[in-house]
Amino acid sequence: ETGVTQTPRHLVMGMTNKKSLKCEQHLGHNAMYWYKQSAKKPLELMFVYNFKEQTENNSVPSRFSPECPNSSHLFLHLHTLQPEDSALYLCASSQDRLATGGANVLTFGAGSRLTVL
Amino acid sequence: AQSVSQHNHHVILSEAASLELGCNYSYGGTVNLFWYVQYPGQHLQLLLKYFSGDPLVKGIKGFEAEFIKSKFSFNLRKPSVQWSDTAEYFCAVNARNTDKLIFGTGTRLQVFP
Repeated sequence: ETGVTQTPRHLVMGMTNKKSLKCEQHLGHNAMYWYKQSAKKPLELMFVYNFKEQTENNSVPSRFSPECPNSSHLFLHLHTLQPEDSALYLCASSQDRLATGGANVLTFGAGSRLTVL
Repeated sequence: AQSVSQHNHHVILSEAASLELGCNYSYGGTVNLFWYVQYPGQHLQLLLKYFSGDPLVKGIKGFEAEFIKSKFSFNLRKPSVQWSDTAEYFCAVNARNTDKLIFGTGTRLQVFP
């Protein structure tokens, strides 16, 4: 248990479905992140939030829609996905956003394994 | 744009062998550097980090890494590996004043008894 909890752990969805991934951190951190981990590729940063405000959108397609209602929760809403979106989606948090300097380190959750049929 | 290269994709060692995993990054400014490890079936965990000061940093489980600024490198080392070090190792770089932590493709380490 890392202090960052992701649900569901596994998700299978069709291309026309709408689903959501949830991330909750119990560490009192202010910044949260979504990453995509695909086979044979580096972890890809998707979004960064700091105190509920989005600070980075790494050119992510609009079929992925993030939501950060507060500093402890982060969602990734999924709709009309493609099979190539199948991957492990990782959530992470840090005390403060990396750009503030200081010794900020990302703590990762276990991930949500998404399969798009 | 920043990028991180890990040249060793798959390393196979016997127990007690020495380990060095390469990591190079492309960014001309000041950086923070990290190594993360992912054991089979587990989440990513921080192994060690460099923010400033002594370029030789020590992490958990006997790992260390050396930041060589002139070579844009942050190689990971361990003098004697154990079977329990079998895992995937990721180098990551954060350019100061940005929120982006950029990862390499990872190196899969297999240690045989």
